[in-house]
Amino acid sequence: GAGVSQSPSNKVTEKGKDVELRCDPISGHTALYWYRQRLGQGLEFLIYFQGNSAPDKSGLPSDRFSAERTGESVSTLTIQRTQQEDSAVYLCASSLSGTAYGYTFGSGTRLTVV
Amino acid sequence: QKEVEQNSGPLSVPEGAIASLNCTYSDRGSQSFFWYRQYSGKSPELIMFIYSNGDKEDGRFTAQLNKASQYVSLLIRDSQPSDSATYLCAVNPSGSARQLTFGSGTQLTVLP
Repeated sequence: GAGVSQSPSNKVTEKGKDVELRCDPISGHTALYWYRQRLGQGLEFLIYFQGNSAPDKSGLPSDRFSAERTGESVSTLTIQRTQQEDSAVYLCASSLSGTAYGYTFGSGTRLTVV
Repeated sequence: QKEVEQNSGPLSVPEGAIASLNCTYSDRGSQSFFWYRQYSGKSPELIMFIYSNGDKEDGRFTAQLNKASQYVSLLIRDSQPSDSATYLCAVNPSGSARQLTFGSGTQLTVLP
């Protein structure tokens, strides 16, 4: 596609429920990143996928968070047993290869846990 | 110590003035540096990147890099109200092709 597409744009869920966020990167972009941005805060790295290499999961805050990506296509970020502190905007970004020229962000998913 | 530091602001400048945004980083081996603009409620948008010491100009924007001082800045000339946004500095630590590390951003307001 023309840009990075994320869905849903907004998600309200009850505490304890599982949620799944989706990211469709720019076609041909081998690198895909998930970041979290809490209200008024900076970007917090979560996970990075590069082609078929093992993902870098070093930023995932707990084992309730997981992500998958098949090849160089769509990625899903799953949060199990959501907590109120998970409320944030979840941003996905993609790039041609690594960070040499920066990345392009999607419009994000605003998650609210009530 | 945070890896990428920015003054959170808010920074206010009058329309037509030069806005100067600053960023320092801790990893001396960092190779590439990026400035993103984020309007309220929107996602970050890449506006400039710089790899070499010195200045890089693109329209009204100039990025300045001083690796010896571990300092990168963004100058916005002839500031416009539409430049009002949060500006995020991002660094590629040690030249690795992995994730960028972002500062917490500087909120800029350009007053008409």
